[in-house]
Amino acid sequence: QQPVQSPQAVILREGEDAVINCSSSKALYSVHWYRQKHGEAPVFLMILLKGGEQKGHEKISASFNEKKQQSSLYLTASQLSYSGTYFCGTDKAAGNKLTFGGGTRVLVKP
Amino acid sequence: GAGVSQSPSNKVTEKGKDVELRCDPISGHTALYWYRQRLGQGLEFLIYFQGNSAPDKSGLPSDRFSAERTGESVSTLTIQRTQQEDSAVYLCASSLWTSGSYNEQFFGPGTRLTVL
Repeated sequence: QQPVQSPQAVILREGEDAVINCSSSKALYSVHWYRQKHGEAPVFLMILLKGGEQKGHEKISASFNEKKQQSSLYLTASQLSYSGTYFCGTDKAAGNKLTFGGGTRVLVKP
Repeated sequence: GAGVSQSPSNKVTEKGKDVELRCDPISGHTALYWYRQRLGQGLEFLIYFQGNSAPDKSGLPSDRFSAERTGESVSTLTIQRTQQEDSAVYLCASSLWTSGSYNEQFFGPGTRLTVL
C-alpha cells in the first residue's frame, strides 16, 4: 500500500525551514527518501532503517518513528537547490522493493 | 563512471503497437528496477531483478507488460498492444545488492512514452 506524504506542496523563502512527512498504515522496515528535479531522474537522499541506522549523502536530516510508522524529512535553512519533488519509498521487510508515495513538491524562492 | 542509461529517450507510438524500452545499468549492479511515472504522479513499481533470482513481477499492471534481463546487464521492458493509459515516463534504476542491507538506487533519465 502506498505511503501518504504531506504536505502535497510547500513554498518557502530561501533560509526558511520545512518538514515533509511520510506515513504508512503498515509496519515499516525502512524508509527511503529521493528528490526529483523537474525533467530529471530521482536522486537518492537518505535511507532510514528500523533500529535507528541511517545512510545518506547530503546535509539533510530525517527521522523515523517506527511505532507511528512515520518518517519526517527536515529541510533546514533551505537553499534554492532544495527545490524539487521529494518522494519517500517504504518497504515492509528486508529487501529493496520500494513502494513510493505521491511526492511533495517543494519550491524555494529567493 | 557511466550512470544508468535508457533508450530511447522519447517514444511516440500508435495505440495497439508493441514497444520495447531498454535499460543499461551501472556495471556491477546486480539489482535492477523498472518504475512507471505518470505526469505529476509518484513512482509506480513495475518489476525487480536481483542476480539470478526469479524477478519480482508483482507490479506489472497487466499481461501486456513483460521484462527480461540478460545476466546482470541490459534489461528490456516490453509493452504489447499499447494503450493510451500506458503513456508515461518509464524509469529504470540499478543498485548494488548486499544481503540484509540497503543500497541507494541510481536512476536513469527515463523513456517518455506517448501512445496516440
